[in-house]
Amino acid sequence: AQKVTQAQTEISVVEKEDVTLDCVYETRDTTYYLFWYKQPPSGELVFLIRRNSFDEQNEISGRYSWNFQKSTSSFNFTITASQVVDSAVYFCALRLNLGSQGNLIFGKGTKLSVKP
Amino acid sequence: ETGVTQTPRHLVMGMTNKKSLKCEQHLGHNAMYWYKQSAKKPLELMFVYSLEERVENNSVPSRFSPECPNSSHLFLHLHTLQPEDSALYLCASSHSARDRANYGYTFGSGTRLTVV
Repeated sequence: AQKVTQAQTEISVVEKEDVTLDCVYETRDTTYYLFWYKQPPSGELVFLIRRNSFDEQNEISGRYSWNFQKSTSSFNFTITASQVVDSAVYFCALRLNLGSQGNLIFGKGTKLSVKP
Repeated sequence: ETGVTQTPRHLVMGMTNKKSLKCEQHLGHNAMYWYKQSAKKPLELMFVYSLEERVENNSVPSRFSPECPNSSHLFLHLHTLQPEDSALYLCASSHSARDRANYGYTFGSGTRLTVV
């Protein structure tokens, strides 16, 4: 069975702190895709990043960075020097390579609150 | 504006009412989805439409009835709902159901539904 676990339900930090959001996934497939989405208070899910299972290279995009470790089935997300605008719920998701089938399997999300 | 527009943003309905949620995208996507987001639960996929044909129905009760008249519009018709159906209903689209792994989804802002 496939599963995504985001153990941190809520995290609260003060502006300019670094924060890491954890994501652990389960799958027996060798080909799969991992995603992070941000859901601000307005409700829409905003795509942040996609990684495929063959690419373990870590990625940095501005203040955002992602650490993909197949050995521990983790795809953690770090925000450096957090800002109030980073406050949102962040979802990690897994998708298998099943052609026309295969859906995004979401974790329960981590609510991040960044206080001034 | 995310490219996927959902109306209404908020809806309160009685258990005997009939209402419809609307989703519209002009991104040239061929696949559209309905997700349900309840408090403290992972996002649940309800329906998948690919090229206007329903390809997935994840054991959703018949009081939820989707309709996809064309590749740009998706509806969710609601009737005789229960209070536990109160949730955020998110619509999403992708280039195709087959390619959603590569391109991810574009989500709308959702309809916050309250059943009283």
